[in-house]
Amino acid sequence: LAKTTQPISMDSYEGQEVNITCSHNNIATNDYITWYQQFPSQGPRFIIQGYKTKVTNEVASLFIPADRKSSTLSLPRVSLSDTAVYYCLVGVGDMRFGAGTRLTVKP
Amino acid sequence: GAVVSQHPSWVICKSGTSVKIECRSLDFQATTMFWYRQFPKQSLMLMATSNEGSKATYEQGVEKDKFLINHASLTLSTLTVTSAHPEDSSFYICSAPDTFSYNEQFFGPGTRLTVL
Repeated sequence: LAKTTQPISMDSYEGQEVNITCSHNNIATNDYITWYQQFPSQGPRFIIQGYKTKVTNEVASLFIPADRKSSTLSLPRVSLSDTAVYYCLVGVGDMRFGAGTRLTVKP
Repeated sequence: GAVVSQHPSWVICKSGTSVKIECRSLDFQATTMFWYRQFPKQSLMLMATSNEGSKATYEQGVEKDKFLINHASLTLSTLTVTSAHPEDSSFYICSAPDTFSYNEQFFGPGTRLTVL
């Protein structure tokens, strides 16, 4: 089972691009990388998922290098409402969460 | 996207009583659901995997006799906290995987349990 390592916290300002990196050195061949967002007192929300290279949706982009030992969630032009905890999960149906990254967006 | 609901959204009970929390997949079927607990300022901790029609699989350290899980239908899983104590006070969350992408989970809104 791949373990993940993320920065505990990050600060940013409105309008900036935020990149959160997740390390997963022991990722297996069939593992996917999935990111979730959680606001206080709410269940997490799926953001994006990828296997390799780059994935983009209306909310974020996910960059995965060729060795897949890390991944970077990119949030373009963040706003105050993006203040949340972001979790990176690696595996196939493995729902063991790491500590996550607490992102604080300041005005 | 698919919707997962939880009931109740919050509950207060006396020490020693049992509390049942429901998790429903509203517009899709879920043969598997997951249960988590989350303490303030901490990450989600996976408690168990609920399997429709069979016994749940509990994570190491989770007391199966205290946290009873029943997945009686394809849209409903229940978590019963038996003989609750103040240390069981927590935020309980469930999730169910997307029908086509197991790695994409839909989470319920959570249930805040306070044991007095």
